[in-house]
Amino acid sequence: AQSVTQLGSHVSVSEGALVLLRCNYSSSVPPYLFWYVQYPNQGLQLLLKYTTGATLVKGINGFEAEFKKSETSFHLTKPSAHMSDAAEYFCAVSEDTNAGKSTFGDGTTLTVKP
Amino acid sequence: GAGVSQTPSNKVTEKGKYVELRCDPISGHTALYWYRQSLGQGPEFLIYFQGTGAADDSGLPNDRFFAVRPEGSVSTLKIQRTERGDSAVYLCASSLMGAREQFFGPGTRLTVL
Repeated sequence: AQSVTQLGSHVSVSEGALVLLRCNYSSSVPPYLFWYVQYPNQGLQLLLKYTTGATLVKGINGFEAEFKKSETSFHLTKPSAHMSDAAEYFCAVSEDTNAGKSTFGDGTTLTVKP
Repeated sequence: GAGVSQTPSNKVTEKGKYVELRCDPISGHTALYWYRQSLGQGPEFLIYFQGTGAADDSGLPNDRFFAVRPEGSVSTLKIQRTERGDSAVYLCASSLMGAREQFFGPGTRLTVL
């Protein structure tokens, strides 16, 4: 069975500082991995995804994530935080061979301090 | 183009009542998913459809929950005899056949008093 663990339910950084949101997964097959962002009162928006190929994945808004199979990790990073990055971030894993049915982590709330 | 829409955006009901939540997927998306998100948690899978049929309903918590997609487009999630524990945001997502990228709607916030 697949599962996702997001370490740290709340992360606070200063504007301009590095953002690092941690995600570890468990999967019995090569996984598909996703990061979503959720702004208040809005739906989930896909930031980036890993399917196959290059392990460093670039997404929208300057975010990127690296798939590390040996560590079963898919941490999300951004070199320089912006106030507009304040939101909740979810990591998700999908094993389904035919569709996108996903298992989500419990989320990390990112706060950006001026 | 229009994204995934869900109605109503908010629903308040009393314990024991029946509710229906509607999802309009992106046109042409054959796969449709329902998730439930409780406060402080990530979305939890309920059911997904490929076309008109439920391909996987393993996430439905009990037989009070049921979903349909009769024409392969709009879907309705139905909850009978609602309980306070059903209070959550119900999310709908859709995707193209065989694709794993899901597009989410804004959700319906259900409150059971």
